[in-house]
Amino acid sequence: AQSVTQLDSQVPVFEEAPVELRCNYSSSVSVYLFWYVQYPNQGLQLLLKYLSGSTLVKGINGFEAEFNKSQTSFHLRKPSVHISDTAEYFCAVSDLRRTGNQFYFGTGTSLTVIP
Amino acid sequence: KAGVTQTPRYLIKTRGQQVTLSCSPISGHRSVSWYQQTPGQGLQFLFEYFSETQRNKGNFPGRFSGRQFSNSRSEMNVSTLELGDSALYLCASRGQGLGKDGYTFGSGTRLTVV
Repeated sequence: AQSVTQLDSQVPVFEEAPVELRCNYSSSVSVYLFWYVQYPNQGLQLLLKYLSGSTLVKGINGFEAEFNKSQTSFHLRKPSVHISDTAEYFCAVSDLRRTGNQFYFGTGTSLTVIP
Repeated sequence: KAGVTQTPRYLIKTRGQQVTLSCSPISGHRSVSWYQQTPGQGLQFLFEYFSETQRNKGNFPGRFSGRQFSNSRSEMNVSTLELGDSALYLCASRGQGLGKDGYTFGSGTRLTVV
C-alpha cells in the first residue's frame, strides 16, 4: 500500500513570503497526485492534481506543485502567501493498482500566515 | 450542481449510544467514502462504497459500519459509542473516470461523545 508523508506538521510564514509544503509518497508507479486544502470546520477542497504530462501543475489560489518521479515527491508551492491561505493542507495519492484506485492521504500540514 | 451533503452537521451523543450519519453524493457519483478526522490521528479512512458494495475498508472495529443505497446515498453507523469516537466525519464522492477528478468532500458531521 502507498504511504504519504508530509514532513512538516506546522509551517508558519510571513505574509507575502513564499512557501513550500512538502509531500513524499512511497511509489511513483501508476499514481495520480492531489493537494487539498481544508479551512476550519469545513470539508476538504481540491487545490490541484497531477494525472500525467507536464510535471508542473497549477491550481487555484496561485498554488502550484511539481511532480518528481525519481524523488517520489509532490511539493506544493506559492510564491507569495496571503492571510487567507491559513489552513490545513493535505497531500493525497490515488494508487491505480489498488481496487477502486484507492486514495491515501498524508497527515496534513497546518499553514499559518503571519501578518 | 449540488455538492456533497452531510447531515446532521453537529451531533452530541452519550457513551454507549449509537449514531447514524448520512451522506448524499454529487449526482451521478457512485463512489462514496467515509473518513474520520481527529486532531491526533489526521484523516483515517473508514470505508468506500461503490454501487451499493463495500469496495475498500480501513482498520476500524466492527462498531463502525456503513451502507449505500441504490441512489448512491450512503449512511454510516457507529454502535456503542466511545469517547474516542468524537471526531469530524467526512464523506466524499467520486465520479467515473478512474478517479481523475479526485474526491469531492462534504462539510462533515461533527460528532461529540460525552
